Amino acid sequence: SAVISQKPSRDICQRGTSLTIQCQVDSQVTMMFWYRQQPGQSLTLIATANQGSEATYESGFVIDKFPISRPNLTFSTLTVSNMSPEDSSIYLCSVRQGTAYGYTFGSGTRLTVV
Amino acid sequence: DAKTTQPNSMESNEEEPVHLPCNHSTISGTDYIHWYRQLPSQGPEYVIHGLTSNVNNRMASLAIAEDRKSSTLILHRATLRDAAVYYCILRDILGNEKLTFGTGTRLTIIP
Repeated sequence: SAVISQKPSRDICQRGTSLTIQCQVDSQVTMMFWYRQQPGQSLTLIATANQGSEATYESGFVIDKFPISRPNLTFSTLTVSNMSPEDSSIYLCSVRQGTAYGYTFGSGTRLTVV
Repeated sequence: DAKTTQPNSMESNEEEPVHLPCNHSTISGTDYIHWYRQLPSQGPEYVIHGLTSNVNNRMASLAIAEDRKSSTLILHRATLRDAAVYYCILRDILGNEKLTFGTGTRLTIIP
């Protein structure tokens, strides 16, 4: 299965600033997924990122707040913009390789906004 | 997306089998049943998935009811490292690629 490197693993940021999270995959994948996991909660899908097209956002998430780039088949970034304490969460990227495999997740970025 | 229902929490003794249930009464014919687990401070980890027949791999077994309205993840011999939140998720192979997570079952292993 794919191996995902996600950076940074954690960060503490001031409110009003932005943080860009990187997700690097060791093989080419068509779709990459970005999730948010709020403290003590399950995972919520933010958006799906295809290479060469705009990301598709889930209800409650907008591009201005969570812009996503997908420049090639092995890399994607998620930016959390104009952060507030409510954005404090773990952000994870995920990919799938073929129907015989499940989805692989990065280890996550633990974001704290102060 | 079809919904799944899991118990919020379960406990099991170390070195004993664990049966984690999942109900999915509204499952469609094209829904695959996926199981993932999330160990503390880690991202979710794929465990197993199946469509109609029971499945086995090195991590676990998946038993699927004949009517497919429920399934059971079986850990044959639980260890302390199996303590995690286990998620049962349905994914429609004819739908989009995304996974929708429910609240899962928090499994505690008792030494």
